Amino acid sequence: GDSVTQMEGPVTLSEEAFLTINCTYTATGYPSLFWYVQYPGEGLQLLLKATKADDKGSNKGFEATYRKETTSFHLEKGSVQVSDSAVYFCALSDNGSSNTGKLIFGQGTTLQVKP
Amino acid sequence: NAGVMQNPRHLVRRRGQEARLRCSPMKGHSHVYWYRQLPEEGLKFMVYLQKENIIDESGMPKERFSAEFPKEGPSILRIQQVVRGDSAAYFCASSHDGGAQPQHFGDGTRLSIL
Repeated sequence: GDSVTQMEGPVTLSEEAFLTINCTYTATGYPSLFWYVQYPGEGLQLLLKATKADDKGSNKGFEATYRKETTSFHLEKGSVQVSDSAVYFCALSDNGSSNTGKLIFGQGTTLQVKP
Repeated sequence: NAGVMQNPRHLVRRRGQEARLRCSPMKGHSHVYWYRQLPEEGLKFMVYLQKENIIDESGMPKERFSAEFPKEGPSILRIQQVVRGDSAAYFCASSHDGGAQPQHFGDGTRLSIL
């Protein structure tokens, strides 16, 4: 079945450092890909998405490019801030015949940014 | 501009009791998804509902768990005869059209079983 694999955390960075969180997926069809962020005690917020190969999603300085050839959707940010400290989830949604929209999540990567 | 509302935020039950979790989707949304997050894990899909219909319950445990989304009122996730392993955060999400539409999440209900 479809699955998502993220790099294990926690990832600890200093403020203004460059961030990469790796995400790879396995899917039989052509999924849509998402990054969600979860702050402590809260629900998930959509950070960015891409619906087809070579699409780039971007928001709040974060970017991720849908790479079909490597089945990847790595999250990057050029300069992180303390306020970016959170758990980041990569997810896919199968766009196949069932197309229910249910999300399949990776296990999450905790990011800690130190001043 | 209320988002997805879940209540209660925290729920404590003793083993054998029933737990009822409520979710009111965003205004205009008629598609509801329930996910469970076990400690230190990602979210796992449980069930997908539209008004008065269960569309996909492939992630629901076969026993003790049920879900509904009536014509009027919130969606309810019901867990009967709770056990310690049911302790988790339960998140509800809603979307406008289902499919690949972005899902908007509530803040979750944290269920603790004593």
